[in-house]
Amino acid sequence: NAGVTQTPKFRILKIGQSMTLQCAQDMNHNYMYWYRQDPGMGLKLIYYSVGAGITDKGEVPNGYNVSRSTTEDFPLRLELAAPSQTSVYFCASGLAGVTGELFFGEGSRLTVL
Amino acid sequence: AQTVTQSQPEMSVQEAETVTLSCTYDTSESNYYLFWYKQPPSRQMILVIRQEAYKQQNATENRFSVNFQKAAKSFSLKISDSQLGDTAMYFCAFMKQGGGSNYKLTFGKGTLLTVNP
Repeated sequence: NAGVTQTPKFRILKIGQSMTLQCAQDMNHNYMYWYRQDPGMGLKLIYYSVGAGITDKGEVPNGYNVSRSTTEDFPLRLELAAPSQTSVYFCASGLAGVTGELFFGEGSRLTVL
Repeated sequence: AQTVTQSQPEMSVQEAETVTLSCTYDTSESNYYLFWYKQPPSRQMILVIRQEAYKQQNATENRFSVNFQKAAKSFSLKISDSQLGDTAMYFCAFMKQGGGSNYKLTFGKGTLLTVNP
């Protein structure tokens, strides 16, 4: 009964480093998402995927890349980390046409120094 | 593009009392979902309640209910008999109906609710 699993939960990066946030879901959901949450700003959509092999940009995609090679996994890649990418990142998944509900992971706190 | 506005950054309520959180949204769509999500200090996003726009009846889930005013584009959350465990950030969110690029949430900035003993 894992749901949506994100790793790591915490990470500190130096400016210019790269890293990948991992996200996996075991609910056979076709839709997956990455959001970032900044204080006082709500959640902003970075990228989303409607199925394996299909991804699209959200509201704030700059500085990030994604891939979706399987239904279960949706990693988020940060290239050349910048302080502006300090945030809490949430992965979510959903099954279109059912309830509209998205299921969220526990979040990953990333600090870029 | 859709926008969701929560005009109350912070609210507080005494335990066992009732509190209402406000949300307004802007859309040209006719068919959509509206949601309230709760984010306690653990950071986990938890669905509180959902409303389909085509339903005139307001959704209820135990102590949580909504006042959905489609013409006014208003979607407030009422919490009755507030409990200490209700202390959390509450997000209002919008989703167009249909699949494809419609199937994504647009969030408000959130309201931090504190329940005082």
